[in-house]
Amino acid sequence: GNSVTQMEGPVTLSEEAFLTINCTYTATGYPSLFWYVQYPGEGLQLLLKATKADDKGSNKGFEATYRKETTSFHLEKGSVQVSDSAVYFCALSDNYGQNFVFGPGTRLSVLP
Amino acid sequence: DADVTQTPRNRITKTGKRIMLECSQTKGHDRMYWYRQDPGLGLRLIYYSFDVKDINKGEISDGYSVSRQAQAKFSLSLESAIPNQTALYFCATSDLNHDAGELFFGEGSRLTVL
Repeated sequence: GNSVTQMEGPVTLSEEAFLTINCTYTATGYPSLFWYVQYPGEGLQLLLKATKADDKGSNKGFEATYRKETTSFHLEKGSVQVSDSAVYFCALSDNYGQNFVFGPGTRLSVLP
Repeated sequence: DADVTQTPRNRITKTGKRIMLECSQTKGHDRMYWYRQDPGLGLRLIYYSFDVKDINKGEISDGYSVSRQAQAKFSLSLESAIPNQTALYFCATSDLNHDAGELFFGEGSRLTVL
């Protein structure tokens, strides 16, 4: 079955540091890939997405590129802020949008 | 107002009690889902519904039941709550024809079973 693996946290960075959170997936067909973010006390919200190979999703300074050859969708940001402290989930849905699979989440803490 | 609304937001109950968590949405989506979040385990699917007459079990449906009362309403019931059902529960919606099936989440219902 489909699965998502992401780097375990927690990740602690200083403000303005570079962020990478690794995500790899196993899936048949051509899944869509997502990064969701959960701020403290809130539900999950979509951060960015990519629906086909080589697509780059971007939002709020975050980027991730759909790499089919390495089955990866790593999340990056060049300069993190304290307000980026949250839990980040990598996820995929199959090509029919019927099966959504989440990774375990990576907690990011950014210190001033 | 939130597009996906869950009630209650917090609930403390005792073992053996019946609990219902309710979800309503104003997005007009056909698909609705109930997930459970536990620390270190991510989100796990409990039940999902692709339309009013469609109910499907997810990976952890034991001990839970659902009702799709209308397109906009999807409730989750715990007939006899037990402590290991203590978790954060999320309702979500999606529309296959838009946004690559992106899920839209409610703010969550925190349930504690003593």
